[in-house]
This record gives sequence, C-alpha cells and structure tokens, in this order.
Amino acid sequence: DAGITQSPRHKVTETGTPVTLRCHQTENHRYMYWYRQDPGHGLRLIHYSYGVKDTDKGEVSDGYSVSRSKTEDFLLTLESATSSQTSVYFCAIRGQINTEAFFGQGTRLTVV
Amino acid sequence: DAKTTQPTSMDCAEGRAANLPCNHSTISGNEYVYWYRQIHSQGPQYIIHGLKNNETNEMASLIITEDRKSSTLILPHATLRDTAVYYCIVRVLYNQGGKLIFGQGTELSVKP
Repeated sequence: DAGITQSPRHKVTETGTPVTLRCHQTENHRYMYWYRQDPGHGLRLIHYSYGVKDTDKGEVSDGYSVSRSKTEDFLLTLESATSSQTSVYFCAIRGQINTEAFFGQGTRLTVV
Repeated sequence: DAKTTQPTSMDCAEGRAANLPCNHSTISGNEYVYWYRQIHSQGPQYIIHGLKNNETNEMASLIITEDRKSSTLILPHATLRDTAVYYCIVRVLYNQGGKLIFGQGTELSVKP
C-alpha cells in the first residue's frame, strides 16, 4: 500500500467550529488531492496541490481551505464547519502527472 | 475532460467474466481512459488505463473501440472480492494538476 495516512479517521464536531484534516504521505509525491464523497454525488474534488505552497481549487472548494507547507503534509481546513460538510473525505497522492493516483482510507466527519 | 456514461449497476456470477461498459462519445484525441474501483468504505484503487490500444494487466483488461467512443473493462474471472463501484474516467494525461473527476460509476455485485 502507498504510504498515505489520513488523520483523524473519525471526527464529530459542532457547527461553527474549525476543523483540520491531515493527509500525510511518505512517498515524496508531488501531487496531493482532497475529495469528499457523499451519497448520490460520488467523489468530488475539493482542492489539490502540485507542489509545496502550490494549490488550486477543485469542483467544490467553497467553505474549505488547504495548506501545503511541506511535501509530506496536505491539510484541509473547514474554517467554520456546517452540517452540509458532513461527509467522508479522501486524500490522494500522485508521483508524476501521468501516473496512477493512490488514495487514503478516508476520514468520516460528522458536523452536528 | 470528457464526461462518461456507465450503467448504474450490474450483476456477475462468481468465476465468470465481468464486462463493464463505459460510453465516452465526446472523448478528445489526447484523452486517456482510466478505471478505478472502490470497495465499500475504502479509498478508490487504480485498475488500468489506456489511450487507444487494448491494455491488460494482472487485474483486468481494457478494450477501447476503434473510434474511442466507448470502452469495456473486463475482469476475466470475477470473485466476491471484486464487488465494488467501478469508475470510468477520461482525462488528458497532462491536465493541470493531474486531476481525476469521478462520475457515478457502476456498482458491480458478484454473486456466488
């Protein structure tokens, strides 16, 4: 398995609180991605990174911010969590732009 | 990136070949066809990809029609562990950030 770890794996938080999810990789891969998965919508890209401090928006970026201060970590932050952000979040990594992507095991976030 | 159309669900008997179709009638000449699968609650897993020639690896075969408007993923001897959602994705190999945009996929049920 690719060296990719998501933390926490499960989290319950209250509406309005800030939340940060972490994706950590040991593969020294350049590209990293955050997706969310909801019933009826499949996987949707939130943000992605193509290098340290280089990030861009995906399909559903509103309400989310990301940071990548070092190659191995890609952080996803919900500044003020809402119930609509209850979802399963997946991180993915890719070494080269033309190679396969590897996905983490997911983080289940519940906003109450 | 071109959009894809897949059947919502399919059944297959254990030990038989599973043939999963994908329509991508608007595919461009520089777009590749990728297949990923997602076993319940896990992160998606890469299976195979191709441009115009048929491809085979240890997991599956990919058959792309001559006009490239459709393709079929073949699992030659399906097992119960192949029960998953299968995603067909088309993308430019060197698109910005190497993004993968997922559709709804096909839910394959392998039955004893």
